[in-house]
Amino acid sequence: EAGVAQSPRYKIIEKRQSVAFWCNPISGHATLYWYQQILGQGPKLLIQFQNNGVVDDSQLPKDRFSAERLKGVDSTLKIQPAKLEDSAVYLCASSPRQGVFTGELFFGEGSRLTVL
Amino acid sequence: AQKVTQAQTEISVVEKEDVTLDCVYETRDTTYYLFWYKQPPSGELVFLIRRNSFDEQNEISGRYSWNFQKSTSSFNFTITASQVVDSAVYFCALSEAGDYKLSFGAGTTVTVRA
Repeated sequence: EAGVAQSPRYKIIEKRQSVAFWCNPISGHATLYWYQQILGQGPKLLIQFQNNGVVDDSQLPKDRFSAERLKGVDSTLKIQPAKLEDSAVYLCASSPRQGVFTGELFFGEGSRLTVL
Repeated sequence: AQKVTQAQTEISVVEKEDVTLDCVYETRDTTYYLFWYKQPPSGELVFLIRRNSFDEQNEISGRYSWNFQKSTSSFNFTITASQVVDSAVYFCALSEAGDYKLSFGAGTTVTVRA
């Protein structure tokens, strides 16, 4: 079974530029999460999708971050304009349908963003 | 407010020593779930164990064991006879009933030396 795919693995941009990250979850997983992991810290949830609907985006900085999950499969996370403090690893995770939540999230390898 | 606290930042041991990782959590829910995840250098977080709040029985799974104590809000994790491949960052996480998401602690870096 293929795991969670993310791209790009690494991205370096100047502040005020924009960037987009892509995630393809495990086939059949209805729930998709984007986490932000700043160096030395634990992952922090940015947004949670159930199919193509947003369940929780309370910690997403909506003035610069946006995310979508078209057709309930792939997802894109965008940052525009980027700030220095956005330097982090952006982790995508998926889990089976919400009714059988076990807490076992399947994570991708992450996209490491460096903002200069 | 911080829901999960991992006070240990780094632990270094020699191979075959036991390693115990501390985790203290905070929640007002009576039903919740606690987890341990491992993040090796590759970066991909891997699920290790889960414990429900209504089951305080401690268990052992291979070289992993955990000690869940509601009275002290602690969920400690032990690796027995550590190996070099156990070197990673370990995260404790909490999920409160109904929210289907994880709140992670800051992590503990474990280094196992040969």
